[in-house]
Amino acid sequence: QQQVKQSPQSLIVQKGGISIINCAYENTAFDYFPWYQQFPGKGPALLIAIRPDVSEKKEGRFTISFNKSAKQFSLHIMDSQPGDSATYFCAASIVGGGNKLTFGTGTQLKVEL
Amino acid sequence: DAGVIQSPRHEVTEMGQEVTLRCKPISGHDYLFWYRQTMMRGLELLIYFNNNVPIDDSGMPEDRFSAKMPNASFSTLKIQPSEPRDSAVYFCASTLAGGPVTDTQYFGPGTRLTVL
Repeated sequence: QQQVKQSPQSLIVQKGGISIINCAYENTAFDYFPWYQQFPGKGPALLIAIRPDVSEKKEGRFTISFNKSAKQFSLHIMDSQPGDSATYFCAASIVGGGNKLTFGTGTQLKVEL
Repeated sequence: DAGVIQSPRHEVTEMGQEVTLRCKPISGHDYLFWYRQTMMRGLELLIYFNNNVPIDDSGMPEDRFSAKMPNASFSTLKIQPSEPRDSAVYFCASTLAGGPVTDTQYFGPGTRLTVL
């Protein structure tokens, strides 16, 4: 019940296109859903996060869409750029208690010219 | 702030040897996490501390793994004896509960461990 399932495992998008990564969770107690971005040789870094009281959050070219009833959330990267090429992890947690995160398995995104 | 600091960045050792990984969290953070990342298993939480006290070590794979946090600015993850299947990148992360960006975990650069 603690799992977060992420798809696809890898994704190739043309420059300027839209990248979409999907995640699904089982534990209805989760109330915080961040996305982390990881470049090769670096640690993951928070990209954007959402709480279940809203269905969408947008920060620049990055948007999280959240469907509470379906227990799904997704990351959309608009106008994808080669610099967006990285591994993306979705995660979920219960706020408080130090925010113990349960991570998805990651998506390797490559944005081609 | 310099961020989360981990050392060494790379460690190559032989099977059976003791390995100690070190972490300095961001000053003022009250939670510290140790993760392991492999291609097969992704990011796994091994253990986390709150105010230097271990809260959940259910992710520690075996008794060969141990972690300590003797003070608010230092933690170690020890593997003794090490085995080839322990080869992975180990990350340390810290957070301030209820901080300005709620519970954001800040990761260090990781230690790449290779056990021959």
